[in-house]
Amino acid sequence: GESVGLHLPTLSVQEGDNSIINCAYSNSASDYFIWYKQESGKGPQFIIDIRSNMDKRQGQRVTVLLNKTVKHLSLQIAATQPGDSAVYFCAESRQGYSTLTFGKGTMLLVSP
Amino acid sequence: GAGVSQTPSNKVTEKGKYVELRCDPISGHTALYWYRQSLGQGPEFLIYFQGTGAADDSGLPNDRFFAVRPEGSVSTLKIQRTERGDSAVYLCASSFAPGETQYFGPGTRLLVL
Repeated sequence: GESVGLHLPTLSVQEGDNSIINCAYSNSASDYFIWYKQESGKGPQFIIDIRSNMDKRQGQRVTVLLNKTVKHLSLQIAATQPGDSAVYFCAESRQGYSTLTFGKGTMLLVSP
Repeated sequence: GAGVSQTPSNKVTEKGKYVELRCDPISGHTALYWYRQSLGQGPEFLIYFQGTGAADDSGLPNDRFFAVRPEGSVSTLKIQRTERGDSAVYLCASSFAPGETQYFGPGTRLLVL
């Protein structure tokens, strides 16, 4: 079936580096994409979202890029900090559907 | 402001027992969602409410699972005759309207012995 998936299960970076977390999706009907951060023992925390009519969206230290041609989504974190260590999930939904389909997640480990 | 709250935070029960999990959404949010998350996996959709009615319950795994939202605010997820395979984190989320950003609660960790 169609699903959202991640390329890398674990990403290790040094504090201050820029991090890039990737996500592939297979449903061409998907039109809304979200990145969540989940720390151990907590619920997913909204980071940033993007709709299919955009290619890029920026927040505070984070940027989401959407490439609809190859069905690829990425999350860029600038100047990564130890507090950014968590599991990051991409999720998608499509017009007419309000539910989210999540990928398996990427663990980001930031070393001081 | 207050976020989504869920109670209890942890629940241990025995196989065959009945459990209720509660979700209190963000005030003013009309849409409420239940997801289940197994260890090492992303959340999986269970059921979604718009107001008091279940708009989509296609994710409920079987008829042992049921959820209500009688007044369009608090929701309760009910699991009958629990099985060990029901052990997971049950997450609740709410959004201002369908299709808007979903904000998650901390989850209820259910362990069925």
